[in-house]
Amino acid sequence: SQKIEQNSEALNIQEGKTATLTCNYTNYSPAYLQWYRQDPGRGPVFLLLIRENEKEKRKERLKVTFDTTLKQSLFHITASQPADSATYLCALDPDSSASKIIFGSGTRLSIRP
Amino acid sequence: DAGVIQSPRHEVTEMGQEVTLRCKPISGHNSLFWYRQTMMRGLELLIYFNNNVPIDDSGMPEDRFSAKMPNASFSTLKIQPSEPRDSAVYFCASSLQQGGARSNQPQHFGDGTRLSIL
Repeated sequence: SQKIEQNSEALNIQEGKTATLTCNYTNYSPAYLQWYRQDPGRGPVFLLLIRENEKEKRKERLKVTFDTTLKQSLFHITASQPADSATYLCALDPDSSASKIIFGSGTRLSIRP
Repeated sequence: DAGVIQSPRHEVTEMGQEVTLRCKPISGHNSLFWYRQTMMRGLELLIYFNNNVPIDDSGMPEDRFSAKMPNASFSTLKIQPSEPRDSAVYFCASSLQQGGARSNQPQHFGDGTRLSIL
């Protein structure tokens, strides 16, 4: 069956450390992956997109990797801050004929001072 | 710039009543998506439109749900009759899809409607 899996348990990180979140998928062949941030009571906000032919993408303190062999994307936040605390969602395009994306269940990240 | 605007932000109603959720996408965007988010099932795509035309409604749970997009600046999601299991947060998102069908543009979300059916 098709699945998108993210760390189901919350991730607690000390401020200043690097947070690493995982997104694994099964029985999909996505052309790209997207990462979103969601704060309580708000809609998801787009952060980064990485294509299947890109190994790594960076934006300020954020870094995303995409390994189509392992069927995995890693999302890193370096020099983490309490303001980075949120739920992070990965999403992929499940169908080459459509412009929709499917979301993972998200990982809640808490950065403690 | 105005983002995606959803109304109402909160809705509490009794089982059996009709519920209408509204969405105004970002001006110039040509794709609109309706999602439902619950703790158990996460963020699920219900239906999406390209250029006001419904493209994929396979996520609509049953015939009690319907969605329309009469023009490029407005969409509604209707539940009739509503049931307690419809309680969730409903999000609308829009994007500007360019090029081929498998586009890769980010989606812009509204802040959702929290729906409670008693």
